[in-house]
Amino acid sequence: QQQVKQSPQSLIVQKGGISIINCAYENTAFDYFPWYQQFPGKGPALLIAIRPDVSEKKEGRFTISFNKSAKQFSLHIMDSQPGDSATYFCAASKETSGSRLTFGEGTQLTVNP
Amino acid sequence: DGGITQSPKYLFRKEGQNVTLSCEQNLNHDAMYWYRQDPGQGLRLIYYSQIVNDFQKGDIAEGYSVSREKKESFPLTVTSAQKNPTAFYLCASRDIASKETQYFGPGTRLLVL
Repeated sequence: QQQVKQSPQSLIVQKGGISIINCAYENTAFDYFPWYQQFPGKGPALLIAIRPDVSEKKEGRFTISFNKSAKQFSLHIMDSQPGDSATYFCAASKETSGSRLTFGEGTQLTVNP
Repeated sequence: DGGITQSPKYLFRKEGQNVTLSCEQNLNHDAMYWYRQDPGQGLRLIYYSQIVNDFQKGDIAEGYSVSREKKESFPLTVTSAQKNPTAFYLCASRDIASKETQYFGPGTRLLVL
């Protein structure tokens, strides 16, 4: 079964610090890697996404680093803020399978003021 | 105001009862998806549909059924065969032509009485 493994399960950082969440995948056919942010009781919202033809993508304080040979990708949140406290999910999909997303288990991020 | 709506927000099911969760989108998206979310786990795909009158099973389809009679609607029925239905159910949609990501609705929390 296709899997995406995410770590850590929970993360606590201080305001202004860097939050780093890692994901590893098995299926080399995956061609799209999004990160979602979810607040309690809400649906996930797309944060940032990357395709395997680039090694890094940055949008504001959020950066995805992608290592195709290691089959790993990570989310970096710079200058973390209390408002960033949420659950973060990595995911992967391939266009030829209807773009069905395979999700990681999630990381609960807490940013202390 | 475009988006994905799910109703109801909370739903209670009695033993042996079938219940139907509603998902409507006015984004003109071709594809629609249903996911189940359990505490401490990532989202798992139940069913998805890429076109009207066609749908495919996801990873955990047993005990669930869907229909896609209209482009904007993708209702999910949780049948009495689903022995552990308590979860947060999320509907998503996607524009296949633009290859954009999936966008999620606000979710329905199903509880068993």
